[in-house]
Amino acid sequence: EVQLVESGGGLVQPGGSLRLSCAASGFTFNTYWMQWVRQAPGKGLVWVSRINRDGSSTNYADSVKGRFTVSRDNAKNTLYLQMNSLTAEDTAVYYCARDSAAGYWGQGTLVTVSS
Amino acid sequence: EIVLTQSPATLSLSPGERATLSCGASQSVSSSFLAWYQQKPGLAPRLLIYDASSRATGIPDRFSGSGSGTDFTLTISRLEPEDFAVYYCQQYGTSPFTFGPGTKVDIK
Repeated sequence: EVQLVESGGGLVQPGGSLRLSCAASGFTFNTYWMQWVRQAPGKGLVWVSRINRDGSSTNYADSVKGRFTVSRDNAKNTLYLQMNSLTAEDTAVYYCARDSAAGYWGQGTLVTVSS
Repeated sequence: EIVLTQSPATLSLSPGERATLSCGASQSVSSSFLAWYQQKPGLAPRLLIYDASSRATGIPDRFSGSGSGTDFTLTISRLEPEDFAVYYCQQYGTSPFTFGPGTKVDIK
């Protein structure tokens, strides 16, 4: 059974940093592109970032470029999102998802940026 | 950046009726790399359609997708009670891989 489990969310002050993790199981992790998508409370889905199978190619939304870094450890079957210089506008549930047309999603982890 | 617009914003229908949701792109979507998702409150999105017209695994055949270029449509042939939800389109052909703002299908 495919499973994606996010962790690392929480409350952080403006300007702070957080690293999200997404533990994958039930499939061959290193054969899939992975992406991060976020959703602010009561709002729509916003694409954040994507990484290719071996981590050599990444893409970012303009709103996070230069602040967020996506990476993966295929030996640990884990996807990461390093988030720096956080602002209130980054407050959202962050989902990891498998593949570009995302057939599998995690349950999401809430990031709240507030003083 | 490819901007996706969805119409209508809200669609009020009764069970058994046909739903037609539109997704428009500000420029042509590469290779029809367009997906449709369904999302219910408190849950992660669920993939319905990929590559504009291919149904994802386990999706009932009352869901169908069509279109190419800049105009795409999701059709639900006969609404079931569990279909009342928010629907999003996403293009994944050109980075950034943008989502539309969503269409809420609610019960009339």
